Amino acid sequence: QSALTQPASVSGSPGQSITISCTGTSSDVGGYNYVSWYQQHPGKAPKLMIYEVSKRPSGVSNRFSGSKSGNTASLTISGLQAEDEADYYCSSYTSSSPWVFGGGTKLTVL
Amino acid sequence: EVQVVESGGGLVQPGGSLRLSCAASGFTFSSYWMSWVRQAPGKGLEWVANIKQDGSEKYYVDSVKGRFTISRDNAKNSLYLQMNSLRAEDTAVYYCVVGVGAPSWGQGTLVTVSS
Repeated sequence: QSALTQPASVSGSPGQSITISCTGTSSDVGGYNYVSWYQQHPGKAPKLMIYEVSKRPSGVSNRFSGSKSGNTASLTISGLQAEDEADYYCSSYTSSSPWVFGGGTKLTVL
Repeated sequence: EVQVVESGGGLVQPGGSLRLSCAASGFTFSSYWMSWVRQAPGKGLEWVANIKQDGSEKYYVDSVKGRFTISRDNAKNSLYLQMNSLRAEDTAVYYCVVGVGAPSWGQGTLVTVSS
């Protein structure tokens, strides 16, 4: 039940676009279209931003988009805003356990 | 609106027990897989356990097998996590999560295992 691999940190200036990667294996990210992305502000519960690779829940800005290629999923945030500064986690369904999460990426808006 | 509210967290000594509850509303509870996910202080998210709609299937992360038991009461729209033989490394915020494809999360309840 190894964690998915995310960069520890990414940064960008307001208005720019950034992409966070999430690398797994053919037993999780590559094998299923059940990749989700969560945003978490300090002291708050995770908020679902993307599910099933590229779908956005109602109320989530279209500045957030998801994609997948092979064993790597990606979250792209366009038009960065100060309120986007948070921790981001990916998760995937796996063949060995229902869910595995990435280690998290801290997004800093410069 | 889907709503889940966790309760039952607190301070417990190593080796002790605690029972977490999750009260659900705003959706048909008996139609969804339910899960517990935890987050240790300053750490990432970790799936702990989940249970099928009718309770017939249950799965656990290796580190809690034999110590934690997940259960549900569909008549009461409630999910539970019985935690025994608690260890310091079980210290975390425990979240109740609805569904699999597009999960909804509660606000969490803090469990602290310390002497």
